[in-house]
Amino acid sequence: GDSVTQMEGPVTLSEEAFLTINCTYTATGYPSLFWYVQYPGEGLQLLLKATKADDKGSNKGFEATYRKETTSFHLEKGSVQVSDSAVYFCALSDNTGGTSYGKLTFGQGTILTVHP
Amino acid sequence: GAGVSQSPSNKVTEKGKDVELRCDPISGHTALYWYRQSLGQGLEFLIYFQGNSAPDKSGLPSDRFSAERTGGSVSTLTIQRTQQEDSAVYLCASSFWVTTDTQYFGPGTRLTVL
Repeated sequence: GDSVTQMEGPVTLSEEAFLTINCTYTATGYPSLFWYVQYPGEGLQLLLKATKADDKGSNKGFEATYRKETTSFHLEKGSVQVSDSAVYFCALSDNTGGTSYGKLTFGQGTILTVHP
Repeated sequence: GAGVSQSPSNKVTEKGKDVELRCDPISGHTALYWYRQSLGQGLEFLIYFQGNSAPDKSGLPSDRFSAERTGGSVSTLTIQRTQQEDSAVYLCASSFWVTTDTQYFGPGTRLTVL
């Protein structure tokens, strides 16, 4: 079945540091890929997504590129802020049709803490 | 407009009792999903609805779990004879259609089984 593996962390960085959170996936067909973020005390929010190979999703300074050859969707940000402290989830959605269409499969989540 | 809402926000119950969790999706969204977030299992899919039908119930952990959706809107997740391992945050999400549309998540219901 489909699965997502992401760097578990926790990750602790100083403000303005470079961030990478690794995410790799296993899926049949050509899934859509997502990064969701959960800020303290808040619900899950979509951060960015990519629906086909070589697409780059971007939002709030975060970027991730859909790499079919390495089955990866690593999240990056050039300069993190304290306000980026949150839990980040990589996820995929099955696009092959059938009864599982649209369901999200999540990675375990990575806790990011950014210090001033 | 209003987002996905869930009630109650917190529920504490005794082992063996039944509980009902409610989800109100975004108006006009035809697809509705239930997920569970727990320390041991992470975020896992439970069930989804397209309209009032549930094509995929594969994630329901046992036959103590059931869900329904009426009028293509509100959904209720019912857990019968709750067990301590059912303690988790239950999340609901909705999207306009069952495709790669963005799923919008509610704040969740934290269930604690004593």
